[in-house]
Amino acid sequence: AQSVTQLGSHVSVSEGALVLLRCNYSSSVPPYLFWYVQYPNQGLQLLLKYTSAATLVKGINGFEAEFKKSETSFHLTKPSAHMSDAAEYFCAVRRGGFGNEKLTFGTGTRLTIIP
Amino acid sequence: EAGVTQSPTHLIKTRGQQATLRCSPISGHTSVYWYQQALGLGLQFLLWYDEGEERNRGNFPPRFSGRQFPNYSSELNVNALELEDSALYLCASSLWEDSNQPQHFGDGTRLSIL
Repeated sequence: AQSVTQLGSHVSVSEGALVLLRCNYSSSVPPYLFWYVQYPNQGLQLLLKYTSAATLVKGINGFEAEFKKSETSFHLTKPSAHMSDAAEYFCAVRRGGFGNEKLTFGTGTRLTIIP
Repeated sequence: EAGVTQSPTHLIKTRGQQATLRCSPISGHTSVYWYQQALGLGLQFLLWYDEGEERNRGNFPPRFSGRQFPNYSSELNVNALELEDSALYLCASSLWEDSNQPQHFGDGTRLSIL
C-alpha cells in the first residue's frame, strides 16, 4: 500500500523567501509522485509529476521537486515566494504500472505568504 | 482544450435524500475518478471508471455508486444522504493507456447536507 506524509499542515514564508514543502512517501514498488495546488473554491491543479525519469522535476509557476529514493522524499521548493503562491498544496503517490490508478494524497500544507 | 467540468457547482440536500453529481472528462480521456474532500478527512478516493466499467473502489459504503456513459462522462450517486456526506466532491480524468499521465481535476461539486 502507498502512503504520503506531509510535514507541517501550515507553512508561512515571507514574500521573496524560499518555499520548502515536505513530502515523504511509502510505497512497496517504485511510485509515481505528484504535487497539486488548490486555490480557494477551486479543484486541484497539477504542479509537477515524477514518473521515473529525471529525479529533479520542474513544474509550473517556478516550482520544482527532487525525488530522493534513499530518503523516500519528494519535497517541493520554489526559490522566491510570491503572494500568488498562497494556497493549499497536496503531495500524492500512485503505484507505477497499469491497473492501480488510485491516487493517495497527503493531508495537505497550507502556504501563507507574508508581505 | 476544455478541462474537466463538473455540475452542479453547489448542491444542497437534506438527510435521507439522494444526490446526483455529474462529470465530463477532458476530450479523449477514458478514465474518470471520483474523490471526496471532507473537512478534517482530507482527499479520499471514491471510485474509478474506465471504458464504462468500475475498476476500483475506495472504502465507502454501497450507497455511494456511479456509472460511466459511452461518451465517458460519469455520474456519482449518493443515496440515503447523511450529514457526514457534506464535502467537496472532485472528479478527475486521465488517459489510462499511458500510466505516466497525471489525473486532471475539475473544480468540484460542493454537497451540503442539512
